[in-house]
Amino acid sequence: GQNIDQPTEMTATEGAIVQINCTYQTSGFNGLFWYQQHAGEAPTFLSYNVLDGLEEKGRFSSFLSRSKGYSYLLLKELQMKDSASYLCAVMDSNYQLIWGAGTKLIIKP
Amino acid sequence: SQTIHQWPATLVQPVGSPLSLECTVEGTSNPNLYWYRQAAGRGLQLLFYSVGIGQISSEVPQNLSASRPQDRQFILSSKKLLLSDSGFYLCAWKAGGLDTGELFFGEGSRLTVL
Repeated sequence: GQNIDQPTEMTATEGAIVQINCTYQTSGFNGLFWYQQHAGEAPTFLSYNVLDGLEEKGRFSSFLSRSKGYSYLLLKELQMKDSASYLCAVMDSNYQLIWGAGTKLIIKP
Repeated sequence: SQTIHQWPATLVQPVGSPLSLECTVEGTSNPNLYWYRQAAGRGLQLLFYSVGIGQISSEVPQNLSASRPQDRQFILSSKKLLLSDSGFYLCAWKAGGLDTGELFFGEGSRLTVL
């Protein structure tokens, strides 16, 4: 079966750095997405990785290792507004997205 | 620019009643359209997707149905709701013709079945 694993919840301090991991086992691979979802709102797109390596976008970076079936989302200089759930999703060989359950990130002052 | 809007945002329905959620996309043509359901503590579950008018693919057997009467309109329906239909429903679109590319989500509709 297809499976996406990410931690259920993480806590970090304002101004710090946090890394949210995602491991996957899917039928084929056509890219990995990270989305941010604030409570009660729709997910919004953060990043897309299809090749190995690090993609940086401002305070957010996403890393992919296809051989390990592993990705992480790195958030730097954490702000209170970064409190949200972070969803990892993999596009399989049929170009369908397989979603993880999300990681709820709690930022403390 | 492209926008996506779904409604209603919140609804409370009794078991056995019908359902209609609507989703409209503006600023793009021939999009791929999707209906997802999100249950607490679980990943997004794809319910239906459509690559064109009248073309609906169902991913999960259930008492829900979907229709695409116009290029930019996607409707999720049920004739008789079950308690298990409660959840957060999300409509999404992606540029048609592209296999990859990110999804853009509507605001979501929270359904409570009592």
